[in-house]
Amino acid sequence: GQQVMQIPQYQHVQEGEDFTTYCNSSTTLSNIQWYKQRPGGHPVFLIQLVKSGEVKKQKRLTFQFGEAKKNSSLHITATQTTDVGTYFCAGQSSASKIIFGSGTRLSIRP
Amino acid sequence: DAGITQSPRYKITETGRQVTLMCHQTWSHSYMFWYRQDLGHGLRLIYYSAAADITDKGEVPDGYVVSRSKTENFPLTLESATRSQTSVYFCASTVYDSGELFFGEGSRLTVL
Repeated sequence: GQQVMQIPQYQHVQEGEDFTTYCNSSTTLSNIQWYKQRPGGHPVFLIQLVKSGEVKKQKRLTFQFGEAKKNSSLHITATQTTDVGTYFCAGQSSASKIIFGSGTRLSIRP
Repeated sequence: DAGITQSPRYKITETGRQVTLMCHQTWSHSYMFWYRQDLGHGLRLIYYSAAADITDKGEVPDGYVVSRSKTENFPLTLESATRSQTSVYFCASTVYDSGELFFGEGSRLTVL
């Protein structure tokens, strides 16, 4: 069945450093979504990528969707303490079924 | 706008008991999902539903039962709870296939 792998599992950075998390699917995806979950909270939608090779930016966050539509990445430039949380990718390859990666937990040293 | 609500938020039960987690959304979203979240596993899909009376299995459906008689409700039942079902359960909905998921606050279930 469809699997979505995400690395790294944890990332601890100094405030101001960059952060990247990578997502890889075992199957070609129709789209990929990214979510952020703060400690003790629920996942909150950040963005959706649909097109092969698509790149989208939200302020300091840059999202990429691979050419083969099987991988994706989220890059945060100059991290801030408000970026703390767990970032999940979620891939959809068949109708309705949305499979999440295992997440990358980001912690930040002030 | 109540959105999507889950109940109970916290539940402690014993092995072998039946437990039902409720999920209610006020948006009339067609699609609804149940995920469980365990450390190191992220969010794993249990069941999903494309519309009332249409449900399908996700990644980890064993030991769970769902129903969807009304669009707004999507209860998840553990017919005979086991310790391995101790987890945080999230319900989510979306208005159309491929849309962003809106999550409930989660239900933390402990099975003793």
